[in-house]
Amino acid sequence: GQSLEQPSEVTAVEGAIVQINCTYQTSGFYGLSWYQQHDGGAPTFLSYNGLDGLEETGRFSSFLSRSDSYGYLLLQELQMKDSASYFCAVRESSASKIIFGSGTRLSIRP
Amino acid sequence: DAGVIQSPRHEVTEMGQEVTLRCKPISGHNSLFWYRQTMMRGLELLIYFNNNVPIDDSGMPEDRFSAKMPNASFSTLKIQPSEPRDSAVYFCASSLRGGLGKETQYFGPGTRLLVL
Repeated sequence: GQSLEQPSEVTAVEGAIVQINCTYQTSGFYGLSWYQQHDGGAPTFLSYNGLDGLEETGRFSSFLSRSDSYGYLLLQELQMKDSASYFCAVRESSASKIIFGSGTRLSIRP
Repeated sequence: DAGVIQSPRHEVTEMGQEVTLRCKPISGHNSLFWYRQTMMRGLELLIYFNNNVPIDDSGMPEDRFSAKMPNASFSTLKIQPSEPRDSAVYFCASSLRGGLGKETQYFGPGTRLLVL
């Protein structure tokens, strides 16, 4: 079956760096995406990896290793507004739906 | 662009009533997705359409749920009859299928449904 594993909760300090991991088990793989969702809000797209390696977008970076079925989201210079839930999502093929992980709730302490 | 538009934003209804949720995707997008989010089950894909055609409805919980997309700018998700366990936030999302590369999904603000 399909499964995406990510930690349910992570706590970090303002200004620090935090890494949220995601491991996946799917019948195929076409790309790994990351979404952010604030309480009461809608998920918003953050990053995408189709190939191995690191993708950087400002303070956020995302990494993928297809051989390990593993990826992570790296958030640097954490700000209080980064407190949110973060979802990894995998598409199994170019034509299939995207499967979301259960989300990681990130709490930032001053 | 106004983004994905959903209505109503909040709905409170009584068990047994029919509920209709509406979605207008971003103009030009040719894929549309309906999701349900609860604390217990997380974000679940219910159904998605490509070019107005339902592609995968395996996530639709049961026959009480139905979805239509009569044209490229409008979709509905209907629950009839509604039950308390249907209480959740229902999101609509749209994307542009480019065939290759990333396919960013843009989510609407959601409809918060409470069935009493």
